[in-house]
Amino acid sequence: NAGVTQTPKFQVLKTGQSMTLQCAQDMNHNSMYWYRQDPGMGLRLIYYSASEGTTDKGEVPNGYNVSRLNKREFSLRLESAAPSQTSVYFCASSKYRDRAYEQYFGPGTRLTVT
Amino acid sequence: AQSVTQLGSHVSVSEGALVLLRCNYSSSVPPYLFWYVQYPNQGLQLLLKYTSAATLVKGINGFEAEFKKSETSFHLTKPSAHMRDAAEYFCAVSVGNNNDMRFGAGTRLTVKP
Repeated sequence: NAGVTQTPKFQVLKTGQSMTLQCAQDMNHNSMYWYRQDPGMGLRLIYYSASEGTTDKGEVPNGYNVSRLNKREFSLRLESAAPSQTSVYFCASSKYRDRAYEQYFGPGTRLTVT
Repeated sequence: AQSVTQLGSHVSVSEGALVLLRCNYSSSVPPYLFWYVQYPNQGLQLLLKYTSAATLVKGINGFEAEFKKSETSFHLTKPSAHMRDAAEYFCAVSVGNNNDMRFGAGTRLTVKP
């Protein structure tokens, strides 16, 4: 049981390049999320998917697209990377337990855009 | 919308001392509150959560937190700090069945020998 896995771990892009961050979970969770983490700002939600086939914008969706490929996989795409997208990106999935959703996080992808 | 504020971006304690990390929340409906821990170069792990069953919540690694509605607070404590507690701690809030979770800015805990 690997939990939530993310690839790649590190990536350097030039401004204007595109890339896709991959995320997969093997816990059979319905909901999945993409966050970005910036110093002093905590985690901010980019997009989430409450179930297979659905996606919704979070707090900071501009410049990103997502695909919920199946129940296991949820990818994040940067079509034209900008330096402002330099960040650490976390994928998470959640399960409903004891009245609330508990989120489980991947190890993160550290992205630098030059 | 719900939100949390963590007071103090950096807290430093000596090994064996009390750990107190502060979190205040804002919510128009009864909130569910969480503390997560992030060790260097890792993702976040759930420490504990409050879902209205009991105001004092015990979590992993000896941490606990108390929900105080009158103070809109959910501070995290541990009686005796250990070196392995050095990490960044995040308070988070969600409401009802909505799984939209909002995180605080984080508090970095340093433990001195």
